[in-house]
Amino acid sequence: DGGITQSPKYLFRKEGQNVTLSCEQNLNHDAMYWYRQDPGQGLRLIYYSQIVNDFQKGDIAEGYSVSREKKESFPLTVTSAQKNPTAFYLCASERVPSGRASSYNEQFFGPGTRLTVL
Amino acid sequence: AQSVTQLDSHVSVSEGTPVLLRCNYSSSYSPSLFWYVQHPNKGLQLLLKYTSAATLVKGINGFEAEFKKSETSFHLTKPSAHMSDAAEYFCVVSDWTGANNLFFGTGTRLTVIP
Repeated sequence: DGGITQSPKYLFRKEGQNVTLSCEQNLNHDAMYWYRQDPGQGLRLIYYSQIVNDFQKGDIAEGYSVSREKKESFPLTVTSAQKNPTAFYLCASERVPSGRASSYNEQFFGPGTRLTVL
Repeated sequence: AQSVTQLDSHVSVSEGTPVLLRCNYSSSYSPSLFWYVQHPNKGLQLLLKYTSAATLVKGINGFEAEFKKSETSFHLTKPSAHMSDAAEYFCVVSDWTGANNLFFGTGTRLTVIP
């Protein structure tokens, strides 16, 4: 089955610790995205990557870091610099036909990771 | 700049009655618009999308939406609600600035009463 997997589903972290959230896709999609969702709010973009070894900051990148060493993987690290890390984190991927990204393309979402800082 | 306003944070309907979830958008050019559904503690699933073709868009599970440029609206409808439709619904506009950045509304929680 093709799809996007995120692990773990629930994650608890002590304040001051870094933590890495996993996102893997076997859809052969070029672009990948990380979003954060807070209660009663829509999703906000943290980082995105359109190609291996390249990524760009989204609207709320402070306190986060990413890497894109492989096409199928886009891990997100929540650092101790992130002031309010408790949230639901969603990863998404997007097929880019003929290497041309487009606003017409659908993004496919993983099941999410709920991070709680104790 | 792109933005989305979902006019109702919570909508309750009885099973078998029509559903209307309202969405207004702001975009500086011809937008792409989407409706996504999210069940509790799950990822998002695409219901339907508008990409400048037909203004009436049909999606999965009997949902449809109509793009009205004059009203800058993209309301989601369904003729008859089912219990399984209870979920959070997000209206989304795409910002094409070299990447497919999505701007999400704050969501509408749909409750279906038996």
